[in-house]
Amino acid sequence: DAGVTQSPTHLIKTRGQHVTLRCSPISGHKSVSWYQQVLGQGPQFIFQYYEKEERGRGNFPDRFSARQFPNYSSELNVNALLLGDSALYLCASSGVPGNTGELFFGEGSRLTVL
Amino acid sequence: GENVEQHPSTLSVQEGDSAVIKCTYSDSASNYFPWYKQELGKRPQLIIDIRSNVGEKKDQRIAVTLNKTAKHFSLHITETQPEDSAVYFCAASIAGGLTGTASKLTFGTGTRLQVTL
Repeated sequence: DAGVTQSPTHLIKTRGQHVTLRCSPISGHKSVSWYQQVLGQGPQFIFQYYEKEERGRGNFPDRFSARQFPNYSSELNVNALLLGDSALYLCASSGVPGNTGELFFGEGSRLTVL
Repeated sequence: GENVEQHPSTLSVQEGDSAVIKCTYSDSASNYFPWYKQELGKRPQLIIDIRSNVGEKKDQRIAVTLNKTAKHFSLHITETQPEDSAVYFCAASIAGGLTGTASKLTFGTGTRLQVTL
């Protein structure tokens, strides 16, 4: 079975632009979460979506938005990019309620803002 | 919100020695504590986790202990090997509820473990 897949793997943008990152969860997983990992730090929670509804949001500005589609894939959008948005963006999926709760991370999308 | 502190930030041990990484958390409602290993340029991978209804869990060379009263938990790696070299993150969250999962993890700042020959 395929794991969590993310695209693109690397991208370079300039300040003020917007970016869309995509994530496909493990087959059967209904929950997708997004994390931002700045170099040298631990991942920080951005969003959780479950059954296509936002279930949690971290301390990020409104420039960050996300959505989940009927097939449970997800997009993370960031508008008006700042230099500080340069980071590895990780998507994680998890299974149905009652399971172990383990998060399965994708390889991430590395965003560089110039 | 939850705050997780992790130390040390770097740890160097000789092959075969043990390594211990410690974390503290602030939210007494947290009940799920995973540990992730992240190799350079790779995704975080779960190596072990513990829930608040147990005090210790072991998986081969890896063990985690949890002290709910003191709000701290630790990762113990015995008989370290060069392939254990990586950055290790602890995390805490509240698992359960509608989704039954623990998606909103709060991570520590990481420990870079280097195992030397």
